[in-house]
Amino acid sequence: DAGVIQSPRHEVTEMGQEVTLRCKPISGHNSLFWYRQTMMRGLELLIYFNNNVPIDDSGMPEDRFSAKMPNASFSTLKIQPSEPRDSAVYFCASSWTSDLATQYFGPGTRLLVL
Amino acid sequence: AQSVTQLDSQVPVFEEAPVELRCNYSSSVSVYLFWYVQYPNQGLQLLLKYLSGSTLVKGINGFEAEFNKSQTSFHLRKPSVHISDTAEYFCAVSDGGDDKIIFGKGTRLHILP
Repeated sequence: DAGVIQSPRHEVTEMGQEVTLRCKPISGHNSLFWYRQTMMRGLELLIYFNNNVPIDDSGMPEDRFSAKMPNASFSTLKIQPSEPRDSAVYFCASSWTSDLATQYFGPGTRLLVL
Repeated sequence: AQSVTQLDSQVPVFEEAPVELRCNYSSSVSVYLFWYVQYPNQGLQLLLKYLSGSTLVKGINGFEAEFNKSQTSFHLRKPSVHISDTAEYFCAVSDGGDDKIIFGKGTRLHILP
C-alpha cells in the first residue's frame, strides 16, 4: 500500500494568501486526523474525521482554518487568510476505526508564511 | 484531560550504549500508551503500544517499554543504540476507547560515535 499521501510537501506563501493542504489516507481507513507541529507547541491535533464526518474540531486554532473530507479518499485543510504564525509542519494521519490506537502518518507539509 | 510529560528534550548517548527515554502520563482509569518515532524530515511511525495485558511491551527496532501504573510511567528503553536510531521520540496517551491521542513534546535522541 502507498501509505498516507500529502501534497504539497513544501509550501511558501505570503501573508494573506489562501493555502490548501491535501491528504489521501490509506485505502480502507475510515478515520483521518490533521495535526500541526511547531517547535514551541509540539504536535497538536487540529481536527479528526470518522467516516468523512468531522468528530472533533476543538483543536482548530481559529476561523481562518477549515477542513473538509468530501469522500473517503481525500481531505483538505485550508487556511484563509494565512499568517506568519501559521508556519509549521502539517501532518495528516489515518487509521481504522477498529484500531484507532494505531495511526499512520503522512510525510507532512512544511508551510512557511512570509 | 489526559497529558503526557517527556522529561528530557534531548538525550545524548554513545553508540552501542543503552538508553532510556522517560515518559509520565496523567492518571486515568484506563489508558492506552504509545511511543512514536520521527526520523528527520519524515512523519511519525508507531514504535510500540500498550493497550492491556503484559506491562512489558516490545516494539520494532529492538525498543521496549514498560507500563508502570503506580508511577504513571511508560519509559522507552533499548539495550544498545545504533547511529540509525537518531530521531525524535514521542510518547503519547489516549483514554481507553477515546479516538484522540495526546502527544508529548518529544525527546531528541543524539547518538554519539
